[in-house]
Amino acid sequence: ETGVTQSPTHLIKTRGQQVTLRCSSQSGHNTVSWYQQALGQGPQFIFQYYREEENGRGNFPPRFSGLQFPNYSSELNVNALELDDSALYLCASSPPTVGEAFFGQGTRLTVV
Amino acid sequence: KQEVTQIPAALSVPEGENLVLNCSFTDSAIYNLQWFRQDPGKGLTSLLLIQSSQREQTSGRLNASLDKSSGRSTLYIAASQPGDSATYLCAVSRNDMRFGAGTRLTVKP
Repeated sequence: ETGVTQSPTHLIKTRGQQVTLRCSSQSGHNTVSWYQQALGQGPQFIFQYYREEENGRGNFPPRFSGLQFPNYSSELNVNALELDDSALYLCASSPPTVGEAFFGQGTRLTVV
Repeated sequence: KQEVTQIPAALSVPEGENLVLNCSFTDSAIYNLQWFRQDPGKGLTSLLLIQSSQREQTSGRLNASLDKSSGRSTLYIAASQPGDSATYLCAVSRNDMRFGAGTRLTVKP
């Protein structure tokens, strides 16, 4: 059984550019959530996907968007990058019932 | 709106001490509470999950309790070791997962 994997691990982008982050969920998990973690803070909920549909969204602007694929892997897309988007982006997958969430190792995004 | 608070923000103890980390939340309508460990620049490692109907969970030297009515959870770490040094985060789940800011633990040899 493989865990949650994210790619890439590190990324540097220029303000105004677009970025796509990827997440492979744990086997058997059909729910994927994305979080943004600024330095020294707890993760903040961006959105959740369940069976390829967005199933909840946090307080993030529309330039943060996502996808979930039939194999339950997921992408996070951020358009028009801003300096404040620099953070650790975490993906979590969880099983069909309300249960334990498992996180990937994160993608460190730096916007310059 | 659910607010999660963790106290203390930082803690430094000598090796071998037993310690308690605290987590409080404002809305008791949760499905579960989960404790995580995070090493610097890394992802989150799940330590313990407590369902809303449960009072506590144990794993090795770790014990977590949940008092939903008062909006509190504690993580007890027995016989702390330098390898326990990390940031500990609690999170409550209902429609999404809300995190505290974490407690940064340092265990000195």
